[in-house]
Amino acid sequence: NAGVTQTPKFQVLKTGQSMTLQCAQDMNHNSMYWYRQDPGMGLRLIYYSASEGTTDKGEVPNGYNVSRLNKREFSLRLESAAPSQTSVYFCASSENRGQGGYTFGSGTRLTVV
Amino acid sequence: GNSVTQMEGPVTLSEEAFLTINCTYTATGYPSLFWYVQYPGEGLQLLLKATKADDKGSNKGFEATYRKETTSFHLEKGSVQVSDSAVYFCALSRSGSNYKLTFGKGTLLTVNP
Repeated sequence: NAGVTQTPKFQVLKTGQSMTLQCAQDMNHNSMYWYRQDPGMGLRLIYYSASEGTTDKGEVPNGYNVSRLNKREFSLRLESAAPSQTSVYFCASSENRGQGGYTFGSGTRLTVV
Repeated sequence: GNSVTQMEGPVTLSEEAFLTINCTYTATGYPSLFWYVQYPGEGLQLLLKATKADDKGSNKGFEATYRKETTSFHLEKGSVQVSDSAVYFCALSRSGSNYKLTFGKGTLLTVNP
């Protein structure tokens, strides 16, 4: 089915470890986004890529890096994981710079111990 | 900056009851407004949207009207079902913020049979 695919679905890391969350979309969307979801906080934007070749910081970029590998793929990297990064991470994509709404992946539940 | 405020939950209703979830926003210009729904263990799905004042978005029996004079976009449904149990997010985007979505904190709805 067409949509946004995130891997992995679950991950447990030790403090200080690194990992990359993968995201791919097959809808030929130009824009892609990474959000984190925490209880009582709603969704907060970490980084986004308005088009292939560009990336920009969102509300909460500290501790993260991103790569827009090509039009389909947008990865999120945690270089040195901290317990404060325990969260559910969602990737999303959109056409027309989001005016029609976003399509979300099913999320990655990350626990840092 | 842009912000979205929605009524705090949880909201608990009996099947066939009337639902209203309030949403107000702060933004300059003319944002687009959205309602997203998140079922347990899943990502967010676009429920409905409205892109200009007085537009009514509707889907699956849910409705919301873009009221610029009151800066509101309240979600309503005339008769809820158990299957409507989910978290509902109000959101906005506008061109001045590169169309990034700004979310409310979400409202948990539980419908009992």
